[in-house]
Amino acid sequence: DIQMTQSPSSISVSLGDRFTITCRASQDIGNYLSWYQQKPEKSPKLMIYRATNLEDGVPSRFSGSRSGSDYSLTINSLESEDTGIYFCLQHKQYPRTFGGGTKLELK
Amino acid sequence: EVQLVESGGVLVQPGRSMKLSCAASGFTFSSFPMAWVRQAPTKGLEWVATISTSGGSTYYRDSVKGRFTISRDNAKSTLYLQMDSLRSEDTATYYCTTGYFDFWGPGTMVTVSS
Repeated sequence: DIQMTQSPSSISVSLGDRFTITCRASQDIGNYLSWYQQKPEKSPKLMIYRATNLEDGVPSRFSGSRSGSDYSLTINSLESEDTGIYFCLQHKQYPRTFGGGTKLELK
Repeated sequence: EVQLVESGGVLVQPGRSMKLSCAASGFTFSSFPMAWVRQAPTKGLEWVATISTSGGSTYYRDSVKGRFTISRDNAKSTLYLQMDSLRSEDTATYYCTTGYFDFWGPGTMVTVSS
């Protein structure tokens, strides 16, 4: 199985700050990597697909990038609505596997 | 507007069975592979199963293989998950999603407990 190692597991960030979450894939997944935001008691919301593509309606302060087996989600200029838990997902190979999640809170 | 609405989640005893349904609308259901993803209370997301557009191919995580069956009715735009021999570790919110994981339903809670 492909392991997706996500870091950090939690982070406190100030409004207006820039921060980055990373997922490292244990095997090659190409660009078959998506990022999700989940609010309490809600279903996940797709933010980034195919590693670098912004989903329709997602603010442009979100971006995705790849460096080798490391995939990153960056939020420029954090806003209060960006709090929640973020997950990565690889859909290159079965079983599909998620990262462990990053809980983003306001400082 | 794409809509996925799960139903069927209840409290059930270990060893019993349950069937979840997901009604889809707002897109051409028969053109999309579909999947189930679950999330245990306060835990992360876990892929459960995927089915191809025709239903001819199915994929499962090891822990549910032989116990769960994913199926679909394209005429009714509905996805199903038959869950047999339920265990306490199957307790979770179950989400219906397209096979591309771009649209998700609100989820239905399954609790396995005596």
